[in-house]
Amino acid sequence: NAGVTQTPKFQVLKTGQSMTLQCAQDMNHNSMYWYRQDPGMGLRLIYYSASEGTTDKGEVPNGYNVSRLNKREFSLRLESAAPSQTSVYFCASSGRPPVGEQFFGPGTRLTVL
Amino acid sequence: RKEVEQDPGPFNVPEGATVAFNCTYSNSASQSFFWYRQDCRKEPKLLMSVYSSGNEDGRFTAQLNRASQYISLLIRDSKLSDSATYLCVVGHPNAGKSTFGDGTTLTVKP
Repeated sequence: NAGVTQTPKFQVLKTGQSMTLQCAQDMNHNSMYWYRQDPGMGLRLIYYSASEGTTDKGEVPNGYNVSRLNKREFSLRLESAAPSQTSVYFCASSGRPPVGEQFFGPGTRLTVL
Repeated sequence: RKEVEQDPGPFNVPEGATVAFNCTYSNSASQSFFWYRQDCRKEPKLLMSVYSSGNEDGRFTAQLNRASQYISLLIRDSKLSDSATYLCVVGHPNAGKSTFGDGTTLTVKP
């Protein structure tokens, strides 16, 4: 039982490049989330998916797109990376109504040059 | 004004001290409340849920005051291993999501 897994763990991009961050959970949770955390700051919600087939914008969605591929997987795409997107990205899932305990993946550390 | 506000910190305390963190939230419709712990460069992990009746887990006590929209976390007999950032989290069932505070950093020194 791996919980929440994220790939890759580290990534360096050049400005303008695109990439997709992958997230998967094996806990049969309905809700999944993408957050970013900048140095010395709290977590900010980018997008979330309350159930398979639905996605909603969070606090900071600009520059990102998401796909809830199935109940297990929720990916985050940067179409044209910018230095302001340098951050640590955390994926999380929650099994109860979407305000229950969230389980986090280990994070992806992204640097955009 | 931020939706969830925490003591800015940092808190630097000696081993054995008692330390309290406070958190206020602005959305009166919030219905679930949590404290998470985050170690440096790691993912947040649930420390405890917070209930109106208050709850205790060993050296940790959490309280909720709905009237004042205020949450607290008390740590007694601090250990070196308690050094971390503590995040206050408020859940909004109608919105289907939660809001995290910016966190309060605790350093426990020998």
